[in-house]
Amino acid sequence: DIQMTQSPSSMSASLGDTVTITCLASQDIGNYLSWYQQKPGKSPKLMIYGATNLEDGVPSRFSGSRSGSDYSLTINSLGYDDEGIYHCHQYYEYPYTFGAGTKLELK
Amino acid sequence: QVKLLQSGAALVKPGASVKMSCKASGYTFTDYWVSWVKQSHGKSLEWIGEIYPNSGATNFNEKFKGKATLTVDKSTSTAYMELSRLTSEDSAIYYCTMAFDYWGQGVMVTVSS
Repeated sequence: DIQMTQSPSSMSASLGDTVTITCLASQDIGNYLSWYQQKPGKSPKLMIYGATNLEDGVPSRFSGSRSGSDYSLTINSLGYDDEGIYHCHQYYEYPYTFGAGTKLELK
Repeated sequence: QVKLLQSGAALVKPGASVKMSCKASGYTFTDYWVSWVKQSHGKSLEWIGEIYPNSGATNFNEKFKGKATLTVDKSTSTAYMELSRLTSEDSAIYYCTMAFDYWGQGVMVTVSS
């Protein structure tokens, strides 16, 4: 199975900060990588697909990038509405797998 | 708009089975794969498997073969997942998702005697 090593597992940042969450794929997954945001008690919400493509309706403060097997989600101008758990997900190969999640809190 | 409405929470005894539903609306049900995802301990996600409603074709995570059964009813645009021989390890929230673009609200399954 493809392992997605996500870091950090949790982080705390201030209003207006820029934060980056990363996922390292254990093998090549091309650009078959999505990012989801999950609020407490809610289902995951697609934010980024194809590693770099912003889902409709998602603020442009969110961006995705790739460097080799490293995938990153960057959030600029952090706001309180950005708190939650962020998950990466590879859909290149079965079984589809997810990172362990990053809990983002605002100070 | 696309909606996936899942059945309610379930409390089941060890060794029993549970069947949950996912009713789709707002899109052509038979055109998209429906996946099922497990969330344990409120954080990590696991892909269980997927079903293509048009043909009933399925793909599974090996870990859930023999545990999960996926079916659909095209007449009601509803997908089902049945989990068998339940243990405490199966206590979790289970989501259905249309091609990972749209997600149901989740079903909390608690396995307890």
